[in-house]
Amino acid sequence: QSALTQPASVTGSPGQSITISCTGSRSDVGAYDSVSWYQQHPGKAPKLLIYDVKNRPPGVFNRFSGSKSGNTASLAISGLQPEDEADYYCNSYTTSATWVFGGGTKLTVL
Amino acid sequence: EVQLLESGGGLVQPGGSLRLSCAASGFTFTNYAISWVRQAPGKGLEWVSGVSGGGGSTYQADSLKGRFTVSRDNSKNTLYLQMNSLRAEDTGLYYCALDLYHSGSFYYWGQGTLVTVSS
Repeated sequence: QSALTQPASVTGSPGQSITISCTGSRSDVGAYDSVSWYQQHPGKAPKLLIYDVKNRPPGVFNRFSGSKSGNTASLAISGLQPEDEADYYCNSYTTSATWVFGGGTKLTVL
Repeated sequence: EVQLLESGGGLVQPGGSLRLSCAASGFTFTNYAISWVRQAPGKGLEWVSGVSGGGGSTYQADSLKGRFTVSRDNSKNTLYLQMNSLRAEDTGLYYCALDLYHSGSFYYWGQGTLVTVSS
């Protein structure tokens, strides 16, 4: 199972909006609405931001939103804050009854 | 308060074995699927294996089948990962992660246990 494809890096300015894409195939992203997104700051464990494509756990700001079209899922972050600078990973369940992560995207807030 | 506490990591020679443990507390352990996720130094996340709440179903990354085995002991609220024939590329931080929403996502994470495979 190959890793899902994410851009290696994305840059934005405070207050701006950015989108991170996550491209898979009909065997993973396109097969189920079981896509999740994680934020990871250096030296910390990942934090769940979005599950089931678009659902936010309690406490996650509504500046974070998820969507999916075909084999590509997306994470949008609006009103960028300096603390949003982190690594972001997507994840999907697959038709092989396994899970696969994306390669990760480093978000820089300049 | 939900807690996941990994242990069992350390330095091991190539070809060696380790058994990792993840001790859970603060919730009804049998109600939730739980997985192992690893991260090589400076690299991204990689799902390793998972097990259903009752322990009747296990899931394994294709690349690790035959070497790693996941299990859980619900009487001890503990998840295990038996790792055999270890290779240098297995070096990394191993997290256990809980699927709180029964959705295939990972809400609670431990702090990880470090495995180093080196001679």
